[in-house]
Amino acid sequence: GENVEQHPSTLSVQEGDSAVIKCTYSDSASNYFPWYKQELGKGPQLIIDIRSNVGEKKDQRIAVTLNKTAKHFSLHITETQPEDSAVYFCAASFTGGGNKLTFGTGTQLKVEL
Amino acid sequence: DGGITQSPKYLFRKEGQNVTLSCEQNLNHDAMYWYRQDPGQGLRLIYYSQIVNDFQKGDIAEGYSVSREKKESFPLTVTSAQKNPTAFYLCASSDIANEQFFGPGTRLTVL
Repeated sequence: GENVEQHPSTLSVQEGDSAVIKCTYSDSASNYFPWYKQELGKGPQLIIDIRSNVGEKKDQRIAVTLNKTAKHFSLHITETQPEDSAVYFCAASFTGGGNKLTFGTGTQLKVEL
Repeated sequence: DGGITQSPKYLFRKEGQNVTLSCEQNLNHDAMYWYRQDPGQGLRLIYYSQIVNDFQKGDIAEGYSVSREKKESFPLTVTSAQKNPTAFYLCASSDIANEQFFGPGTRLTVL
């Protein structure tokens, strides 16, 4: 089955700096890669996703890149703000197989003033 | 408002009890999912359903059961066979684009 590794487990940045979170996946059949933001005690919120036919996708301060050859994808947050502080999860799935998401173990992002 | 609701928000179970967690969606999504989240860990898939009256086991189905009698509802029962049920349980549904949206979660604690 699919295995997703996520690094780092914790990340502390100064407000205004950029943050990068990296994930690798094992199953070359995976073709859908979402990123979720989870605040304490709440359900995860989908913030951006990318499909295997695209190398990069951007939405305001958030961008995701995908390298299919190396089987890794990354989340980039620019101009970080205190409200970006949360746990971020990457995930991978094969949409033709029930879209079962396999999650990474999460990154606790802290944006310091 | 469209969305996914889960109830209750907090649930306490005694040893040997079965408990049922509710998940309802009004997004008209065909597929629904149940995940378990333990502290400091990612989400693990318990069961999923792609269509009414059909469901499949996920990675950690032992000690759990589900039903899918209506498109809008996908309840999860945590049985007494689940030896370590204390966790945060999350329900999700997905649209034709396969984007999964999550409910607010139910925190289950064994007394």
